[in-house]
Amino acid sequence: DIQMTQSPSSVSASVGDRVTITCRASQDIRGFLAWYQHIPGKAPKLLIYETSTLQSEVPSRFSGSGSGADFTLTISSLQPEDFATYFCQQALRFPYTFGQGTKVEI
Amino acid sequence: QVQLQESGPGLVKPSQTLSLTCTVSYGSISSTTHYWNWIRQPAGRGLEWIGRISLSGTTDFNPSLRSRVTMSLVTSKNQFSLELNSVTAADTAVYYCAREPTSGTHFDYWGQGTQVIVSS
Repeated sequence: DIQMTQSPSSVSASVGDRVTITCRASQDIRGFLAWYQHIPGKAPKLLIYETSTLQSEVPSRFSGSGSGADFTLTISSLQPEDFATYFCQQALRFPYTFGQGTKVEI
Repeated sequence: QVQLQESGPGLVKPSQTLSLTCTVSYGSISSTTHYWNWIRQPAGRGLEWIGRISLSGTTDFNPSLRSRVTMSLVTSKNQFSLELNSVTAADTAVYYCAREPTSGTHFDYWGQGTQVIVSS
């Protein structure tokens, strides 16, 4: 299986901060990397797919980058509704695998 | 906007079969442009992909669960289902259903999840 390692596991931040989360795959995943936001009790929400494509209606303060095995999710200016857990997912091959998640908290 | 909602028993006895249903609203499960997935998350652990099914009935499963998993579609009810047999405490988790475009690169809509506890 392709292992996905996220860092940090949690980050404390304030409204307006720039937040960067990284995801490292155990091998080259050819850009097949997605990012999700999860607020407890709600459905996970797709933010970005194929490394950098912003899902429809997702604010432009979210961006993704990377290549090979290393990827980054950036929130350019944190908003109150962005306090949540973020996780990455590889879709190069089965079984699809996920990062452990990064909790963004105040 | 497409909505998915999981339903099923919250408590299952060891060795029995876990059965869950995902109801899709504001979108057709009869679409040829999507796969229908199940994913789970044990408490304190990461997400684990269980498998997926297409309209044609083609399935792909996580090898770690393949021997115990069955998935099916009920197009008349716009639902798809998961059965996991011979459950143990290790199968205790929040179970999610999710839609995947046939591009196969992401899950564009998820349910909010349902907790299943395996205990006698």
